[in-house]
Amino acid sequence: DSGVTQTPKHLITATGQRVTLRCSPRSGDLSVYWYQQSLDQGLQFLIQYYNGEERAKGNILERFSAQQFPDLHSELNLSSLELGDSALYFCASSVAPTALNTEAFFGQGTRLTVV
Amino acid sequence: GQQVMQIPQYQHVQEGEDFTTYCNSSTTLSNIQWYKQRPGGHPVFLIQLVKSGEVKKQKRLTFQFGEAKKNSSLHITATQTTDVGTYFCAPRRDSNYQLIWGAGTKLIIKP
Repeated sequence: DSGVTQTPKHLITATGQRVTLRCSPRSGDLSVYWYQQSLDQGLQFLIQYYNGEERAKGNILERFSAQQFPDLHSELNLSSLELGDSALYFCASSVAPTALNTEAFFGQGTRLTVV
Repeated sequence: GQQVMQIPQYQHVQEGEDFTTYCNSSTTLSNIQWYKQRPGGHPVFLIQLVKSGEVKKQKRLTFQFGEAKKNSSLHITATQTTDVGTYFCAPRRDSNYQLIWGAGTKLIIKP
């Protein structure tokens, strides 16, 4: 158990809908990262938050947004969903503001299926 | 932008054979991390390499960081079924907060 909790584990929704994925980082970790992993593909970095503020942005679509709350949990909002958004979404956390010298701890992921 | 290539994409081996995956960057790295993702699982941190020419071992796994700090490799000796999964490199640069990951190498044990 990595200590990172993601909910829900599975989500099935229709095209055009909006969903929210939730992540609780490990106790003490201030950084949260979101990744998208399509079937049998690599990890695409979406966005990072550190202590409530956006720290780095990757290939995140405009239809997607995220935030980190004062209690450090984070939410990833995906709207106007398309079939191609079907993927495994991982949240990871680390203690430091950058990924430079700290390992990331990953949650179990949320599998999103858009039908 | 930073280019990272991880090869091969797949490697099929008989149990007991060796496995190697390579990660190559177009730019000098500050450090590199390696992660393993079991089928149906999430990435799990294996190791971090920081120094030029560094070699680290974890039982049957050997990790190397190139002298120029532009490439790295992971070698598994005498693979076992528990080694099955995808191995990702995660190179890091000082000035770049972007979290670039290699595409991963999937280790498949032939039946």
